[in-house]
Amino acid sequence: QVQLQESGPGLVKPSETLSLTCTVSGYSISSGYYWGWIRQSPRKGLEWIGSIYQSGSTSYNPSLKSRVTMSVDTSKNQFSLEMNSVTAADTAVYYCARMGTSMVIYNWGQGALVTVSS
Amino acid sequence: DIVMTQSPDSLAVSLDERATINCKSSQSVLYSSNNKNYLAWYQQKPGQPPKLLINWASTRESGVPDRFSGSGSGTDFTLTISSLQAEDVAIYYCQQYRSTPYTFGQGTKLEIK
Repeated sequence: QVQLQESGPGLVKPSETLSLTCTVSGYSISSGYYWGWIRQSPRKGLEWIGSIYQSGSTSYNPSLKSRVTMSVDTSKNQFSLEMNSVTAADTAVYYCARMGTSMVIYNWGQGALVTVSS
Repeated sequence: DIVMTQSPDSLAVSLDERATINCKSSQSVLYSSNNKNYLAWYQQKPGQPPKLLINWASTRESGVPDRFSGSGSGTDFTLTISSLQAEDVAIYYCQQYRSTPYTFGQGTKLEIK
C-alpha cells in the first residue's frame, strides 16, 4: 500500500524559499503515475500546485508557475517542491499526492503545515 | 480556469436519511473523444487529508461503501449518500481534472441533524 510523507521546515520567512520533500513508500516512483503537490488554506481552499512525472516532466498551476519548481529523485523514491518569494498568502497545509494519468488524486500524504512569518 | 461551485455550503441530515451535494462547473468537463466526465469527489474528515471517493463522475473507488453514488454530466454533478451514517460526517469536495489548472469546489460540510 502506497504511503506518502511530507517533510520540511514548518516556518519560512517572507521572501525566502519554501522547500518540501515527499518520501514515497510501498511503491516505486519509477513504476509510473504522476506525483503532485496540493495545498489547502482557509483563504483559498484546495489548490493544485503542480505535478511531475518520473521522467521529470512537469505541469504547474499558471498562478504559481513563476515561483515553483518540482523535481524527482528516483534513487531515493522522493519528489520535491520549491516555492520562492513566499508571502503570508502561501501559509497552508501542503499535501503531496499520487495522481493517475488522468490527474485524479488517488493517494494523499498526511500534510505539512507551512507558516510564512518573520 | 474552470470554476467549481458546490451547493449547499453546509448540510444537516438525519441518520439513515439521504444527503445530496451538488457541484457545477463553469465549463463542461466532458471529454467528447472518450465520453468521460473528468470529475472526482473527495471526502475530508477533521485532521485528515482528502480521500478519493468517486472518479469519472460516477465510478466508486474500491472500498467505498455503495451508499455513495455520483451522477451528472457536462457541467452539473451530484454526490448522493443514500443512507447517512455517523462516520460520513465530513467535508466533501468536487474536483475537475479535465484541464489545467485542476480546480476544486469550495467544499460542502455535512453534519448530522
